[in-house]
Parts: sequence; structure tokens; C-alpha cells
Amino acid sequence: NAGVTQTPKFRVLKTGQSMTLLCAQDMNHEYMYWYRQDPGMGLRLIHYSVGEGTTAKGEVPDGYNVSRLKKQNFLLGLESAAPSQTSVYFCASSSNLRGAFFGQGTRLTVV
Amino acid sequence: RKEVEQDPGPFNVPEGATVAFNCTYSNSASQSFFWYRQDCRKEPKLLMSVYSSGNEDGRFTAQLNRASQYISLLIRDSKLSDSATYLCVAVTDSWGKLQFGAGTQVVVTP
Repeated sequence: NAGVTQTPKFRVLKTGQSMTLLCAQDMNHEYMYWYRQDPGMGLRLIHYSVGEGTTAKGEVPDGYNVSRLKKQNFLLGLESAAPSQTSVYFCASSSNLRGAFFGQGTRLTVV
Repeated sequence: RKEVEQDPGPFNVPEGATVAFNCTYSNSASQSFFWYRQDCRKEPKLLMSVYSSGNEDGRFTAQLNRASQYISLLIRDSKLSDSATYLCVAVTDSWGKLQFGAGTQVVVTP
């Protein structure tokens, strides 16, 4: 019973490098979300998706891109990482607005 | 102004006592509301949904006041294991946008 799985769990990037975070859910949920969480800031929505092929911007979308080519996967891309993107990234999924379930998070450090 | 606001606390609560705290939301069109619990450096976990008529789940009671645009969470007979940050969530658009508050920290002491 995997639920929501994020890969990788930890990553260290150099400034300017690119990477993709993968979120996979096995609950057939329509909605998927990417958040970042920084100390004292709470969870801030980066991008979200209401279904395969559809995405929308959240509060802090700059510097990130997303894709939802398959219903079960939601990818978050950083094209040119910056130290300000050092954070913990959480993916979540939900169905019919009944509350979302989260992955365990990806701890990203950009040096 | 943030869409969802919470008192950050901490609320220091003796074991066995009752604690309650609120969360306000700015978008009157918000459809659904939830409370989540987050332990240090872990992922948020769904605690309960919040219904207009109020609802209970064991020692936890959630209330929604649409007129004043706030939701509340009450914890009775607090346990040490209730120590956590409690996050308030509102669904703020028809696309299912989940907006989180910054969280209220609760510390239950022996």
C-alpha cells in the first residue's frame, strides 16, 4: 500500500544544475500538488494539477516547471537551481476534495 | 493578506487538559476545510475534515463558522502524543487548490 511516493528523498545540487523530482500515487487520485516548506513559512503551493495533462500555478511557481503526462505521476522540474530553492518539497494527491495524502518529502539543498 | 491564517502558538497544555485554537480564511467561496497534523520534519497527515454542522473524531472536535470565516479545532483530554503542529487547510477554488495555514504548535506537558 504505497500511497504517495516521492523520489529522491535527499539531494544536493550545485547552483545552476537541473533536476526533476518525481511524485507517484497509486490511489487513482485526480488532484496532485507540489508544495515547498521552509522554516517559519509553512507549506507554500508551487503548482498543482486537476488531471492528466492539466496544471496550474500556485503561490510560488517561479523557477519551477511541472508535467502530468500520466495520471499517477506529477513531475517537478528545476531548470537552473538556486540557493533560494533549498527547501523540503512535498507532493500530495487527493480525490474529490476529500483531503490530500502526502509523500514523505524530498530534502533539497542547493549550494 | 494570507488566504489562511493561524496563530503560530505555541500552546502549552498540561496533559489531560483541553486546548482549542482557530484558523481564519479570507476567501468566502472556499468549499472544503480540513485539519492536518505535522510532526517535526515529517509529512503532514490528514486529521479530519470539517463540516458545517461540526464533527467529532474521538477527542477531537472541529467546527466551521462560515459567517465569520473561521474553523476551529478542540482537543480534549490532551495526550503527550498530541504534541505537534496543526495545519488548517481550505480548498479555495474549483480546481481543488489546497491552501495551508502556517500551523499552530501544540506542546503537551506532563
